[in-house]
Amino acid sequence: GDSVTQTEGQVALSEEDFLTIHCNYSASGYPALFWYVQYPGEGPQFLFRASRDKEKGSSRGFEATYNKEATSFHLQKASVQESDSAVYYCALSGNTGNYKYVFGAGTRLKVIA
Amino acid sequence: DPKIIQKPKYLVAVTGSEKILICEQYLGHNAMYWYRQSAKKPLEFMFSYSYQKLMDNQTASSRFQPQSSKKNHLDLQITALKPDDSATYFCASRDRGSSAETLYFGSGTRLTVL
Repeated sequence: GDSVTQTEGQVALSEEDFLTIHCNYSASGYPALFWYVQYPGEGPQFLFRASRDKEKGSSRGFEATYNKEATSFHLQKASVQESDSAVYYCALSGNTGNYKYVFGAGTRLKVIA
Repeated sequence: DPKIIQKPKYLVAVTGSEKILICEQYLGHNAMYWYRQSAKKPLEFMFSYSYQKLMDNQTASSRFQPQSSKKNHLDLQITALKPDDSATYFCASRDRGSSAETLYFGSGTRLTVL
């Protein structure tokens, strides 16, 4: 079945550091790829998506580029802030009839001021 | 205003009892989902419904039964509760247009089974 792998379980950075969270996927066909962010006590919130090879998604300074050859969708931000502390999930939506969304295990980001 | 309403926000139950988790969405979406989040398995897919019909079920146990009385409602009935059922349950919805459609989540019901 489809799967999403996030390499980092936790990331600790200082403000203004560069962020990379790695995301690799395994899916048949051509899935849509997403990043979600979850703050304590809330549900996951949509950050951005990409649905074709080499497409870049971005929002709030975060960005990721769909790489079909490498089956990757790595999240990056040039300069993190304390308010970016949250859990980040990479996800895919396959192109089977049910459009099931599969999430990675999540990466907890802690930014220290 | 929240567009996906889940009630209650917190729920405490005793082992063996039955509870219903409520979900209503006001986004005009035609597909609704349930996900479970615990320390053991973050964001685990449970069910998906489209136009009030079950599309996919990844929950092995029949103790979990979704109920859709209206197209914007998808409640989750859990019977014979066990401590292992303790988790946060998220309802989600989307427009069933294509696989690129965004999934929107409610704020969750945190269930604790004693």
